[in-house]
Parts: sequence; structure tokens; C-alpha cells
Amino acid sequence: GAGVSQSPRYKVTKRGQDVTLRCDPISSHATLYWYQQALGQGPEFLTYFNYEAQPDKSGLPSDRFSAERPEGSISTLTIQRTEQRDSAMYRCASSLGTGGFYEQYFGPGTRLTVT
Amino acid sequence: QQQVKQSPQSLIVQKGGISIINCAYENTAFDYFPWYQQFPGKGPALLIAIRPDVSEKKEGRFTISFNKSAKQFSLHIMDSQPGDSATYFCAAKLGAQKLVFGQGTRLTINP
Repeated sequence: GAGVSQSPRYKVTKRGQDVTLRCDPISSHATLYWYQQALGQGPEFLTYFNYEAQPDKSGLPSDRFSAERPEGSISTLTIQRTEQRDSAMYRCASSLGTGGFYEQYFGPGTRLTVT
Repeated sequence: QQQVKQSPQSLIVQKGGISIINCAYENTAFDYFPWYQQFPGKGPALLIAIRPDVSEKKEGRFTISFNKSAKQFSLHIMDSQPGDSATYFCAAKLGAQKLVFGQGTRLTINP
């Protein structure tokens, strides 16, 4: 596609509900990243995929957070039993690869509000 | 130790002036230092990046100065324009492609 797309753009959910966010990366990109961005802060790394492999989950805040990329393209981020502190912008990015430095192209984000 | 500290939080510069944003880090394992520009409602976009073995990189009106011994790097925007008004993030790469971002600087260029 032309760029990284994410859906939904906005999600309001009640505390305790599960939510799933979707990321559609640039089609030629092997690597996909998830970040959490609090209001007025920089993005914080959650996890990344190299094709369908997930080498680094170190940024996931708790076991309520999980991500998948089963076919090496589209990815989902699932938050189980949401809490108010999960409210944030969730950004997806993709890049051509991981060796050296590859530009990460960011999507528009999903703003999650937990009430 | 994985933090990147960015200052100032906000900056107002007159049109035509020089905008300077600073960042500092502790972790010597960082191996690439990009700057991102973010407009409201959009995701961050890469502006310019530098390797730690280079002291300065210039692209048009944008320059990164890098001081490895001080573990500091800065973004200079020359001849600042109202269209440069945005939030700027410094970042540092750790490992394969993990980026650690600074807190951001909201830059306003007054016409």
C-alpha cells in the first residue's frame, strides 16, 4: 500500500473489555513495530516482528498485551482486560529490514480510551 | 540507562531564526540517532539521522550536531519557517531496530 494504515483510528472501551488493534504495513516491508505513545510524550517501543517472527517483546507492559503477525504482513495488538492506564495512542511502524538503519514509517495511530 | 532526555519541551522562534533542540543519552550501545518530525494528527516522520562516528550531518536547513564524548546531540533548523511548526522527537537506536524516543519538543515558528 501507499503507507502504513491502522484501524480503528479511535476506540473507546470500558474497563475490563478486550480490544484488538490492527496494522497494515507497507507491502514490501519485512519488519513491523508497535509503539505506545502517551499524550505529550514520545513513542515507547512495545514489540517488533521480522516477518512473522517476534524477536523482541521487551516493551510489552504486562501479559495482558500480545501481538501477532501470523502471515508476515498484517499485525494485530490485543489488550486483554483493559485498564484506564492503557489509554494512549498506539502506533504501528514498518521498515524494509533490521540490519543497519532502516527508516521506520509510522502509521496514523489508534487512539484508545478506556473508560 | 535506556532513556533519551530531550529539551526544551517547547520552543518559540521567530521566522528566519535558528531553532535548536538538544538531546542527551547514557547508553553507549545506541548506534544510530534519528530525528523525527510530527504534525498534528499524523505519525512521526524521519527528518534526518546520524551515525555516532560522524560529528555533523546537514540536509538542507536541518543539521544534526553530535558530540560522542558528551553523549549529546542536537538538531538545528536554520532560517526557521512557519511550516516547520511541529513536534520534534530525537531518538536513539538500540539493537536490531528498537528506537528509544525523547519526550518531544513542540516548536512554534512565529511569522
